[in-house]
Amino acid sequence: GAVVSQHPSRVICKSGTSVKIECRSLDFQATTMFWYRQFPKKSLMLMATSNEGSKATYEQGVEKDKFLINHASLTLSTLTVTSAHPEDSSFYICSASGRTYEQYFGPGTRLTVT
Amino acid sequence: QKEVEQDPGPLSVPEGAIVSLNCTYSNSAFQYFMWYRQYSRKGPELLMYTYSSGNKEDGRFTAQVDKSSKYISLFIRDSQPSDSATYLCAMGTGGYNKLIFGAGTRLAVHP
Repeated sequence: GAVVSQHPSRVICKSGTSVKIECRSLDFQATTMFWYRQFPKKSLMLMATSNEGSKATYEQGVEKDKFLINHASLTLSTLTVTSAHPEDSSFYICSASGRTYEQYFGPGTRLTVT
Repeated sequence: QKEVEQDPGPLSVPEGAIVSLNCTYSNSAFQYFMWYRQYSRKGPELLMYTYSSGNKEDGRFTAQVDKSSKYISLFIRDSQPSDSATYLCAMGTGGYNKLIFGAGTRLAVHP
């Protein structure tokens, strides 16, 4: 099956700093990548959709200047949380779609902002 | 009304039971239907992927789609404690469009 990795798996940062999360498709080319946020015992909340070489499309209510998404290649997308605050603490998960449209998810990154 | 409705559970069953998980939806444009399994603090894992109506079987798992009723199901036969997880239904209109997820059903299979 398709494999998607995320790095780091856990990160703790201080309020006001920026954090970058990487999402890689390891064995397929991802035409589209998605970034989600998940609160405890809640379902996935789509933050944005990114296509390789294009600007990301953000969901309503998601601040694009705070959550910077870059999809520079067919195997890598990054999410940068800028000027992080404690309310940004969450579980961030990426997914990737290739030629067959199914979305394969990464293992997630747990962000804690102190 | 939400686009996708899924009973959050929790659902508790004994080992060996047949489990039935369901979602209903309102958007008749949905063509692709998926079931994901998510263990605690992990990313969702794709279990089943179905296009349009019909059944699909993979080992102990069977996915059913009834587009006329806007209803999808996932059956798990001979359930095991390792099946204890949250099961998310997801559906989309096709292509690289975003998926719409259900709330997820928490399943506990006890020995």
